Amino acid sequence: GNSVTQMEGPVTLSEEAFLTINCTYTATGYPSLFWYVQYPGEGLQLLLKATKADDKGSNKGFEATYRKETTSFHLEKGSVQVSDSAVYFCALSSRGSNFGNEKLTFGTGTRLTIIP
Amino acid sequence: ETGVTQTPRHLVMGMTNKKSLKCEQHLGHNAMYWYKQSAKKPLELMFVYSLEERVENNSVPSRFSPECPNSSHLFLHLHTLQPEDSALYLCASSLGPGTLLNTEAFFGQGTRLTVV
Repeated sequence: GNSVTQMEGPVTLSEEAFLTINCTYTATGYPSLFWYVQYPGEGLQLLLKATKADDKGSNKGFEATYRKETTSFHLEKGSVQVSDSAVYFCALSSRGSNFGNEKLTFGTGTRLTIIP
Repeated sequence: ETGVTQTPRHLVMGMTNKKSLKCEQHLGHNAMYWYKQSAKKPLELMFVYSLEERVENNSVPSRFSPECPNSSHLFLHLHTLQPEDSALYLCASSLGPGTLLNTEAFFGQGTRLTVV
């Protein structure tokens, strides 16, 4: 079956530090890849996505590149801010057994805390 | 505000109680999902409804009973739960069949359930 493995947290960084959160996946076919973010007390929000190999998703200074050869989709940001403190989830979307039965498979989430 | 509203935000219930979680979206989406979020575990997909029909039931115990009366509303009926069912229950929606590979899912803020 499909699975997503992401680095365990928590991760604590100082403001303006460089961030990398690793994510690797196992899937059949050609999944789409996503990073979702969950701010305290909130549901998940889409941060960025990539739908095919070598695509780069980007948003709010975050980037991730869909690497089919290494089955990875690592999240990076050059200079983090206190407001980036949240839980980050890597996810993939794949076709189910029936048309329309796509589903998102998530990793465990990585809690990120940025200190001033 | 993502357009997906869940009520209640918090719920404490005894093991013999019956309660229901409600999810509502007015985004024009045709697919709705229930996820369970437990600490240090990947989000677990529980149920998928597409065009008001259940298309996925991931071996969820029968003490959880979903209902989708129309494309805007989704319920999760709870009865005789166990303490290990305590978790954050997230509702999500997406455009509909065949779209999740390319579009995002929108999540509600979740219901924090505690079973005592």
